[in-house]
Amino acid sequence: EDKVVQSPLSLVVHEGDTVTLNCSYEVTNFRSLLWYKQEKKAPTFLFMLTSSGIEKKSGRLSSILDKKELFSILNITATQTGDSAIYLCAVEPGAYNTDKLIFGTGTRLQVFP
Amino acid sequence: DGGITQSPKYLFRKEGQNVTLSCEQNLNHDAMYWYRQDPGQGLRLIYYSQIVNDFQKGDIAEGYSVSREKKESFPLTVTSAQKNPTAFYLCASSDTQRMETQYFGPGTRLLVL
Repeated sequence: EDKVVQSPLSLVVHEGDTVTLNCSYEVTNFRSLLWYKQEKKAPTFLFMLTSSGIEKKSGRLSSILDKKELFSILNITATQTGDSAIYLCAVEPGAYNTDKLIFGTGTRLQVFP
Repeated sequence: DGGITQSPKYLFRKEGQNVTLSCEQNLNHDAMYWYRQDPGQGLRLIYYSQIVNDFQKGDIAEGYSVSREKKESFPLTVTSAQKNPTAFYLCASSDTQRMETQYFGPGTRLLVL
């Protein structure tokens, strides 16, 4: 059965800290891994990763994929209170005729001043 | 502006009542999806549709129905057979030809009276 597991489930830090969120997966015919940030409503897209070892970066956020060990990490440096959100990891299997995403349970990040 | 809209923002359902959640997109995306979000469960796929007049069940389709009569619209009906409908419902769409990620609507929160 395809699955995506995120850890930790919850994280509480102070502003300025650096955090690392983990996502491991087991899927058949992997196509891509995606990270989303969800604040109050709909998730917003952060990164799509398809190749191992290539870091994607956007400001203080970065992410990398390891297709051999089947995991990805999302790093946030110099955290701010605005980073408080649920971070969702999703995997897109590459099976024919399906574009379903398989989501993890998410990591709830709380950043305090 | 291009995007995905969902309505209503909040919906109250009485016991035994069917309710319909609206999802419209003007992104010219061919695929559309419905997810349900419960605390600690991440997002779970209810139904998805890759072309007009065709749709497939997701992981938790029981108690739900959909239609796809127009490319831009993918309404979800929560039937009385769904015994635990209280949740946050997210609609998404994607352009499968360009293999883009899914974009999400703002969501509808359904509460049972």
